[in-house]
Amino acid sequence: AQKITQTQPGMFVQEKEAVTLDCTYDTSDQSYGLFWYKQPSSGEMIFLIYQGSYDEQNATEGRYSLNFQKARKSANLVISASQLGDSAMYFCAMRLITGNQFYFGTGTSLTVIP
Amino acid sequence: EAQVTQNPRYLITVTGKKLTVTCSQNMNHEYMSWYRQDPGLGLRQIYYSMNVEVTDKGDVPEGYKVSRKEKRNFPLILESPSPNQTSLYFCASSRQGWGTDTQYFGPGTRLTVL
Repeated sequence: AQKITQTQPGMFVQEKEAVTLDCTYDTSDQSYGLFWYKQPSSGEMIFLIYQGSYDEQNATEGRYSLNFQKARKSANLVISASQLGDSAMYFCAMRLITGNQFYFGTGTSLTVIP
Repeated sequence: EAQVTQNPRYLITVTGKKLTVTCSQNMNHEYMSWYRQDPGLGLRQIYYSMNVEVTDKGDVPEGYKVSRKEKRNFPLILESPSPNQTSLYFCASSRQGWGTDTQYFGPGTRLTVL
């Protein structure tokens, strides 16, 4: 069975500092994709970044980067230069290339302090 | 504008009164899915559809029905709602029914069952 674990229910970061949100996953498949989504207090789900299991380089999208360590089965999200607007819930998710389901973690609530 | 729409956005109902939450996407996506989000549990997949007339159960299908008669629409039906179905519901779509495409989410439907 597939599983996503986010062990940090809540995190605080000072504005302009970098923060790492942890995500570990469990699968015996070799081909999969990993995703991070942001959910602000308004409730919508916003796609942030994607990493394929065969991608050799860590994904980056602006201030977001994904620290992918395949052997450790971790896919941590790094947000650089935090902004007040980064305060939100963040979800890690996985999809197998051969499967049809998405698996989500329980989320991490990030608060950026001015 | 490419989007996933859901209606209604908010719904308060009573136990046992059948209801339907509509979901529509205008991106010609093959894959559509329903999730429920509950505090501390993250997002859990209810049903998904690989294409027209193809649907399958996710992790929490009990008490829900779906249909996919047209590519753009994927309604969620609660035949006899119960209070434990009070939740925030998201519809999502992705381009293909396989692979590692990301999903695009609707705005969410907040359902309260009294």
